[in-house]
Amino acid sequence: SQKIEQNSEALNIQEGKTATLTCNYTNYSPAYLQWYRQDPGRGPVFLLLIRENEKEKRKERLKVTFDTTLKQSLFHITASQPADSATYLCALALTGGGNKLTFGTGTQLKVEL
Amino acid sequence: ETGVTQTPRHLVMGMTNKKSLKCEQHLGHNAMYWYKQSAKKPLELMFVYSLEERVENNSVPSRFSPECPNSSHLFLHLHTLQPEDSALYLCASSQDRQRELFFGEGSRLTVL
Repeated sequence: SQKIEQNSEALNIQEGKTATLTCNYTNYSPAYLQWYRQDPGRGPVFLLLIRENEKEKRKERLKVTFDTTLKQSLFHITASQPADSATYLCALALTGGGNKLTFGTGTQLKVEL
Repeated sequence: ETGVTQTPRHLVMGMTNKKSLKCEQHLGHNAMYWYKQSAKKPLELMFVYSLEERVENNSVPSRFSPECPNSSHLFLHLHTLQPEDSALYLCASSQDRQRELFFGEGSRLTVL
């Protein structure tokens, strides 16, 4: 069966360090992958989209990589700040599946002073 | 302000009540979605409307009934719900069905 895995344990890092979050998937051939940020009690906010033929995408302090051989995406936040503390969700869309995104459970990031 | 507004933000209802959740998007998008988010579980897609036609119904129980009167408004009618239906219900919109989703802030539903 198809599965998306994100670290269920919270990731605690020190301010200024680079945070790296992982999204692994099995039994998918995704057309593209998206990352969202979700704060407590709020709806998810779109951050980045990376397509199957792209290896890397950047936006300000954010970087996403996509390895379709390893079936893995890495999400990096450089020079992390306490304001980056949130839950980060990855979501996959299948080829020909419209925008039927399948979400992971998310990883909670805590950036400490 | 995401451009997608959901009301009410919080709703408590008994199992015999009938209520509705409302979503309005001000982004000019042509696709709208309902998602359910329960604690410790991933977002579950419930319904998708594209150009006001329902194109996805993800095996949702009939006690949930969606309505999309136009491309800017989406409703989720609720009746005879169960306590396990308590969750955060999120509305989202997108332009076409190949783009990023814009979510509302959600309606937190508690079924007693």
